[in-house]
Amino acid sequence: EVQLVQSGVEVKKPGESLKISCEGSGYIFSTNWIAWVRQMPGKGLEWMGIIYPGDSDTRYSPSFQGQVTISADKSISTAYLQWSSLKASDTAIYYCARQGYTYGYDRWGQGTLVTVSS
Amino acid sequence: QSVLTQPPSVSAAPGQKVTISCSGSSSNIGNNHVSWYLHLPGTAPKVLIYDNNKRPSGIPDRFSGSKSGTSATLGITGLQTGDEADYYCGTWDNSLSAGVFGGGTKLTVL
Repeated sequence: EVQLVQSGVEVKKPGESLKISCEGSGYIFSTNWIAWVRQMPGKGLEWMGIIYPGDSDTRYSPSFQGQVTISADKSISTAYLQWSSLKASDTAIYYCARQGYTYGYDRWGQGTLVTVSS
Repeated sequence: QSVLTQPPSVSAAPGQKVTISCSGSSSNIGNNHVSWYLHLPGTAPKVLIYDNNKRPSGIPDRFSGSKSGTSATLGITGLQTGDEADYYCGTWDNSLSAGVFGGGTKLTVL
């Protein structure tokens, strides 16, 4: 069974760094793009960026370019989303999703809640 | 402001049909496949439609998708109270070189 399992809830202070993860199983991780999607409280889904674990080719939404870093380690079937200096406005649920269709996502992680508060 | 425009909310009675529109441009819907997702708060989004009109296995044929020009539509027939959720369209935008989602539509089954 194809699964994406994300790391757990994070509570951080403004200015702190953070790296959350998304581990894939049940398929060859390096052969599907993995996207990251944000949902801020009470808001809709926002596409942040995407990585191809096979060669780490990465694309970012202009809204998130320079704000986060997406990476992957295909040897452990894991993709990452990281911040160097969190802001309160980064408080959100973050989902990873496997691109299993043409520009469509067939499997999603359970989401990681990130709360940034002083 | 989302690149793809959806109505904020739609509603219909149980058993009825509803459609949700998704309007874009030639840089996104006009030249790329569209997917539709169901999202319940606190759960992972689930794909309902991919490649404009295809249903993954396990998705009932009450759900359908279509695309015409720079707009796409999700149709749901035989509405059930369990269909109450937020629905999103998504695709790729060639100008942004990025994925895009609609703002989401909240479906209420009265």
